[in-house]
Amino acid sequence: DGGITQSPKYLFRKEGQNVTLSCEQNLNHDAMYWYRQDPGQGLRLIYYSQIVNDFQKGDIAEGYSVSREKKESFPLTVTSAQKNPTAFYLCASSNTGGVGEKLFFGSGTQLSVL
Amino acid sequence: QKEVEQDPGPLSVPEGAIVSLNCTYSNSAFQYFMWYRQYSRKGPELLMYTYSSGNKEDGRFTAQVDKSSKYISLFIRDSQPSDSATYLCAPTIIQGAQKLVFGQGTRLTINP
Repeated sequence: DGGITQSPKYLFRKEGQNVTLSCEQNLNHDAMYWYRQDPGQGLRLIYYSQIVNDFQKGDIAEGYSVSREKKESFPLTVTSAQKNPTAFYLCASSNTGGVGEKLFFGSGTQLSVL
Repeated sequence: QKEVEQDPGPLSVPEGAIVSLNCTYSNSAFQYFMWYRQYSRKGPELLMYTYSSGNKEDGRFTAQVDKSSKYISLFIRDSQPSDSATYLCAPTIIQGAQKLVFGQGTRLTINP
């Protein structure tokens, strides 16, 4: 089955620790995205990538980093600089990143601070 | 002012009722208007989208856009318990890569 796989489902971070969220897709999509969802707020874009080895900051990129070394993978690292990391993180992909394209989402990773 | 405003609810209606979900937006450059449905602790899935003003119907769902008043609506007819979810409106502009701006989402419960 084609789709987007996020892991782990739940993740806990200690003070000062960097953690990495995994996102893999087998849809052969060029574009991939990371969103953050907080209770009572809409999804906010962290980073996106339209092609391998290239990515752009979204609206709330501070304290996060990404890489896009392979078409199917777009891991997100939450660094210690992100002071309020507790949230539900969603990875998505679309065919080419064009306007009006359907986004396909993974099932999310809930990150909590210990 | 937020670019997209959506009443977070919760909204609870009996099965079979007509549901109206709404968003307002401030950016007149928005051209595409998406509705995503999100079940609890899952990723959103695209329900419908419209381009510019007008209506679009898909089964029990109708999406409506009024660009003059910057108002977006989603109507659900003959609502079912399986429609219970959070509904997110997401307009976008025509400018390079797709960058959706999501509303807060309205949590809807359909009671049997």
